[in-house]
Amino acid sequence: LQLQEAGPGLVKPSETLSLTCTVSGGSINGRNNYWGWIRQPPGKGLEWIGSIHSNGNTYYNPSLNSRVSMSVDTSKNQFSLRLSSVTAADTAIYYCAKHDLWLVQLAYWGQGTLVTVSS
Amino acid sequence: DVVTTQSPLSLPVTPGEPASISCRSSQSLLHSNGYNYLDWYLQRPGQSPQLLIYLGSNRASGVPDRFSGSGSGTDFTLKISRVEAEDVGVYFCMQGLQIPVFGQGTKLEIK
Repeated sequence: LQLQEAGPGLVKPSETLSLTCTVSGGSINGRNNYWGWIRQPPGKGLEWIGSIHSNGNTYYNPSLNSRVSMSVDTSKNQFSLRLSSVTAADTAIYYCAKHDLWLVQLAYWGQGTLVTVSS
Repeated sequence: DVVTTQSPLSLPVTPGEPASISCRSSQSLLHSNGYNYLDWYLQRPGQSPQLLIYLGSNRASGVPDRFSGSGSGTDFTLKISRVEAEDVGVYFCMQGLQIPVFGQGTKLEIK
């Protein structure tokens, strides 16, 4: 199973960050298929952003809840992240990943994509 | 809020020697199904994190048996029986009983 993030590397402050994760080598569908987004500011630790089941059910980090939305496109084997009203504090490497169990066991990770928030 | 605390934050180790990292949660991570919702990850320099240990003590696929996880409730430990050069990186614990929360990370370096 492989995951690959895609999206703009530069986003202006107050705009919306949009990323897509394409899953290959397996189906995004499935009862036990849960997908997540995690970010890491340069040189810092990891922060969970949110997770989504292949049926579309979502769960977001309460600290970001009002700005985050996730979706699944089963026809394209992709899932997506949108983070609105971004600031410089949202500059980070964004990883997509697959949970083998809801909210834990992140067994597969994408390579990550750096998103910089700057005017 | 649930707090996840790792120690030490820096760990210099001589190759061939053992190493141990602690992870403590402010709340019990024991699920009603009997499993502890605590994972360990290694992030090598310039790479994505990789899963080492899941549900407290289960080695992920392909992880060498020199890595082991133990603990229950609020206190957990990752042990490396004999450190090798390829083990250099930052180790994170992550708890996921309520929401996923990562520890601060422990940077392992070779002496």
